[in-house]
Amino acid sequence: NAGVTQTPKFQVLKTGQSMTLQCAQDMNHEYMSWYRQDPGMGLRLIHYSVGAGITDQGEVPNGYNVSRSTTEDFPLRLLSAAPSQTSVYFCASSSGTIQVTEAFFGQGTRLTVV
Amino acid sequence: EDKVVQSPLSLVVHEGDTVTLNCSYEVTNFRSLLWYKQEKKAPTFLFMLTSSGIEKKSGRLSSILDKKELFSILNITATQTGDSAVYLCAPRADAGNMLTFGGGTRLMVKP
Repeated sequence: NAGVTQTPKFQVLKTGQSMTLQCAQDMNHEYMSWYRQDPGMGLRLIHYSVGAGITDQGEVPNGYNVSRSTTEDFPLRLLSAAPSQTSVYFCASSSGTIQVTEAFFGQGTRLTVV
Repeated sequence: EDKVVQSPLSLVVHEGDTVTLNCSYEVTNFRSLLWYKQEKKAPTFLFMLTSSGIEKKSGRLSSILDKKELFSILNITATQTGDSAVYLCAPRADAGNMLTFGGGTRLMVKP
């Protein structure tokens, strides 16, 4: 079972470049989210989606865009990369509102902006 | 603003020791609290707690939630080197089903 798949695993960008981090899940989960993880700071929520066509900002949304055109995919776009966006990025998905379950995480994307 | 504080920040123990990790939280419309273990890559799920006072156990790990005092603890007995990891707690609120993560406790178990 694939679960949550993130690509790429590693990426180096130059300041000012743009790129898209891909996230796909095959569990038909409604909820998807993007986190960034910096040393000593746990995971911080960037953007999230409660279903196809619906997105909202999390704790640290600046510099990132998302869209959710399908249930399966939730790409994260960096519009103009900055060194402060050097981090490890995790995508997560979880199911419905009635039964609360664990969140499933992708394996992460390590992004370095130089 | 939602807030999650984990303590201690880091811990070094020897194999066989018992450890207790703490998580205190302030979350609007709290629904549940999840514990994750993170080694080198993605967090892996340990427990989900929704009710106060009911201990969840999995092998040498156990966890309990106190919704009145707004904290949870994770116990690991007879620690092994494979328990070395960062342990994350994450309360979940009703809104958006999102998790708010604490900064984690880094546990190192020495042989």
